[in-house]
Amino acid sequence: DTEVTQTPKHLVMGMTNKKSLKCEQHMGHRAMYWYKQKAKKPPELMFVYSYEKLSINESVPSRFSPECPNSSLLNLHLHALQPEDSALYLCASSFRPIQGPSYEQYFGPGTRLTVT
Amino acid sequence: GENVEQHPSTLSVQEGDSAVIKCTYSDSASNYFPWYKQELGKGPQLIIDIRSNVGEKKDQRIAVTLNKTAKHFSLHITETQPEDSAVYFCAASTGQAGTALIFGKGTTLSVSS
Repeated sequence: DTEVTQTPKHLVMGMTNKKSLKCEQHMGHRAMYWYKQKAKKPPELMFVYSYEKLSINESVPSRFSPECPNSSLLNLHLHALQPEDSALYLCASSFRPIQGPSYEQYFGPGTRLTVT
Repeated sequence: GENVEQHPSTLSVQEGDSAVIKCTYSDSASNYFPWYKQELGKGPQLIIDIRSNVGEKKDQRIAVTLNKTAKHFSLHITETQPEDSAVYFCAASTGQAGTALIFGKGTTLSVSS
């Protein structure tokens, strides 16, 4: 099973709201990712967690705050977002050996976020 | 950093024809090249991938070829079917331990019956 689940599927929030996106996988993967995808564009990497530690932050604004509470869960906390942050937010996971690179990344269905 | 170019941006074929999508990458350190299919309203689905120590890989109607010297790789779909219609993204690994993927801009494939 290569399933990554994300909740909620859709989210509408105002610019002053605080909300969280959730991602879960039970494949034993130790690398988890957040991507942002605008319409008709490719996914853009935001964050990478490796063994529950943040390993890559692609200069993402602080209004996006990731959290990896355990090896199966990944959260993205949202605060004071702008309308241009409206997008599909994708979570992915991959097997992460202690040494050597990660390979196959499996994506969830995404959360469609609209900021009003 | 890594840059991935993908062509064509749109591709229309008749059912049963073959489709080819090409990508080039810039970082010679990249060693992993996956292809994703994304249908409307869904997340990207990994359909095939290739590592830099392999020149070609095939899975039923789908094949991927890699030319490391020229830094390009291609997706080949044979006997296309309407359900192959989707956006296809190529990607290349980059960054620390190859954990990050840089995506091409995507190809919208339309298969008409």
